[in-house]
Order: sequence, then structure tokens, then C-alpha cells
Amino acid sequence: DTAVSQTPKYLVTQMGNDKSIKCEQNLGHDTMYWYKQDSKKFLKIMFSYNNKELIINETVPNRFSPKSPDKAHLNLHINSLELGDSAVYFCASSQGGNQETQYFGPGTRLLVL
Amino acid sequence: GENVEQHPSTLSVQEGDSAVIKCTYSDSASNYFPWYKQELGKRPQLIIDIRSNVGEKKDQRIAVTLNKTAKHFSLHITETQPEDSAVYFCAASNRGPFYFGSGTKLNVKP
Repeated sequence: DTAVSQTPKYLVTQMGNDKSIKCEQNLGHDTMYWYKQDSKKFLKIMFSYNNKELIINETVPNRFSPKSPDKAHLNLHINSLELGDSAVYFCASSQGGNQETQYFGPGTRLLVL
Repeated sequence: GENVEQHPSTLSVQEGDSAVIKCTYSDSASNYFPWYKQELGKRPQLIIDIRSNVGEKKDQRIAVTLNKTAKHFSLHITETQPEDSAVYFCAASNRGPFYFGSGTKLNVKP
């Protein structure tokens, strides 16, 4: 009965490859997010989706493309991976977007070699 | 956009002492201020939050205060225990994504 799940948990790949990370929430929430946590532990918002529609794209390179097939899923596709993309990527969800608690997934640790 | 600053970056206390972590934010429209605890290799988990219409909130050993005029908010942990050791993040939000502070690594020494 995991609330927010992500796959895979670990991802090791070569520079230049394309990879996807999947996120699913079973909380019935309307809003989903992707955050990036770098090696210094800074947590930064990347995207925000509400009911399958992109709300916010925070100056993320267009190599990153989120896709939301339905409001329970928000996947992240990354093209032409670079060394600087190595980080932990967290998906999160909330019921609505204003003053609502966000629940985080377990994270996907991406290492680009 | 919102800019959240958090201090200190590391904090070491003796078990049983209190710990205080402070954050400031830049966007006066921010109206929700959660605090997350992240243990090593784990996801951030909400420990307490406060909304802009409230000045203080307490939950057992944890309390948060908010000063909207000064645009700062603080986390207070009393009677610290070794299991409180983790990285703590403050965040500010106005209708949507969270803008996080840089984190405080709290070490509680037994």
C-alpha cells in the first residue's frame, strides 16, 4: 500500500543515453511534482503537474520531459544524459497545490558515467 | 521566484538539549511553510507545517514559529534524542511547489 512509488530505485548509465523514471501515487491526489536533490543535498523543484497538465517548469533543460498519462502517474524522461544529471530524483504528490502537504516517493538515484 | 535561506548548515547538540533551525524567505506571497526530516538514503518526510494565518504550532517536542513581517520561521526541537539526528529542510510555498532551504544536518550526541 505504498503511497508514492518510483521505479527504478537505482539507475546507472552512460553519458549520452536516454532514460526514464516512473512515478505512481495511489493517494488520489491531483498534483504531482519532480524534485532533484544534488550531491550537496539541495532539493530543487523541476516540474509541477495538476490533473495531467504542466503547471510549472523551473528552468529545467529541455532534455528533461515530464509525461503524465493520467493524474496518478508522472514520468520523467531524460535525453542525452550528462554527468551533471547525476542526482537523486524525487517524485511527490499533493491534494491540490495550495497549502497542502506533499508526500515524497523513495527517490531514484541516477548515476551518469 | 522564492528564495529560502536556512541556518545553520550543521548543528551538534547533546542529547536532551534543544535545537533551533532558522529560515528566511523572500516572497511575501508564500503562505505555507513545511519542515521535512530526511534520514540518510531515505525520502524527505513531513514533521510539522505552519500556515500563514498562524504564528506558532506545536506537536509534542517539535514547534514551529512564523514571523510574516520579518519573513522568517523557525523549527524548535526540545529534549533531543539520538533518533532526531538527520537533515532537516525548511520550505516555503505559494500555491504549489516547495522551495527548500539548503538543509541543516542535526547531530544529537548521546
